[in-house]
Order: sequence, then structure tokens, then C-alpha cells
Amino acid sequence: EVRLVESGGGLVQPGRSLRLSCEASGFSFDDYGMHWVRQGLEKGLEWVSGISWNSANIGYADSVKGRFTVSRDNDKNSLFLEMHSLRPEDTALYYCVKDAWAVGDIQWGQGTLVTVSS
Amino acid sequence: EIVMTQSPATLSVSPGERVTLSCRASQSVSNNLGWYQQKPGQVPRLLIYGASTRAPGIPARFSGSGSGTEFTLTISGLQSEDFAVYCCQQYHTWPWTFGQGTKVEIK
Repeated sequence: EVRLVESGGGLVQPGRSLRLSCEASGFSFDDYGMHWVRQGLEKGLEWVSGISWNSANIGYADSVKGRFTVSRDNDKNSLFLEMHSLRPEDTALYYCVKDAWAVGDIQWGQGTLVTVSS
Repeated sequence: EIVMTQSPATLSVSPGERVTLSCRASQSVSNNLGWYQQKPGQVPRLLIYGASTRAPGIPARFSGSGSGTEFTLTISGLQSEDFAVYCCQQYHTWPWTFGQGTKVEIK
């Protein structure tokens, strides 16, 4: 069974940093690209960042470019998101997503909540 | 980035009715289009990928069509558990982009 478990969310003041983690199990992690997608309260889905299986391709939404850094450790089946200079508008539930569109096997974690507020 | 626009924003329907939701892309995404269902407090559930292929375990009453810039999700014979928000997503290019969602509510 595929499992994606996010952690690291919490309440943080504007301008501070936070590191999110996503631990994957139940599939060959190093075969798949991975993404972070967020959803604000009562809002739609917003893609944050993506990383290919070997970290050769990395992308960011314009709203987080220069502030967030995505990485992965295939030996530890883990995905990370380093978030700096956090803003109130970064407040959202952050999901880790397995990219397997070719076979329709898109898997989402349960999400970790990030709240940026003074 | 590719902008995804869904219509209508809200649809009020009765159980048993047939529902058609629309999604338009600002430029071609070929058939790299997915549809999700999301209920309050739940993770998005993939219904359709490749514009028209049902994801594993999805009932046959859900069907998708379209390619390029115009896409449709049809629910034939709406059931009580189908009242939710439906969202389209293109995965043709990064950034992935999502429609703003169509809420299907009970009439």
C-alpha cells in the first residue's frame, strides 16, 4: 500500500523558516517524480514545487521561487521542502504528491498544516 | 503558465440527474488533463487521467472527454455521495495548474 506521510508543519511567525518532510513507503520511491501542492483554507489547489526522480529537474511556482527549496533523499525514501521568509499567504495545508500520471496512480498524502501568523 | 478555467462555479442538481462540468485550458495541454473530486476535510480523489481514462476503482458513471483546450467531466446518474467539489488539473507542463473548482450541490 502506498503511503505518503507529511510532517514538519506548524505555527510560525512571518519571516521565519520551516522544513517539511514527506516519508514515502509502499512503492519504489526513486522511480517517481514528486511534488508539493498546497491548499489554503476554503481555497483551491496550488502547485508549489516538483522534483524529478533523480533531482535533475526541479521547478517552483513563481509565488515561492527564491524562498522555497525542494530536495529528496532516495536512500531514505523522503521528500523535503525548505521554506524561508514565510508570509501569511503561505498559510495552507501542504500535500506531498507522487507523480505517476502515465498510469493514473497519483497518490496524495494527508497533508501538513503550515500557519504563518504573528 | 497555463490557466485552467472551470464552469460553472456552482451547479445545483437533484440525485439521479446527469451532470456535465467544463474545464478550459488557456493553451493546449494535449490529453494531459485530470479530474479530482474533493469533499470537505478530505484529500483530493483522482477520478480521471489522460482526459478520459477512469482511475482505478472509479465508478463507470464518471466519464471524461476532450483534448487540447476543452474538456468535460460527465456524471451520469448523480448519487448522494457525488455532491462535492470537482477540480481539473493539467500536468502537460510545469507548473501544474488547477481549475478553481465546480461545486456540485443538492438542489
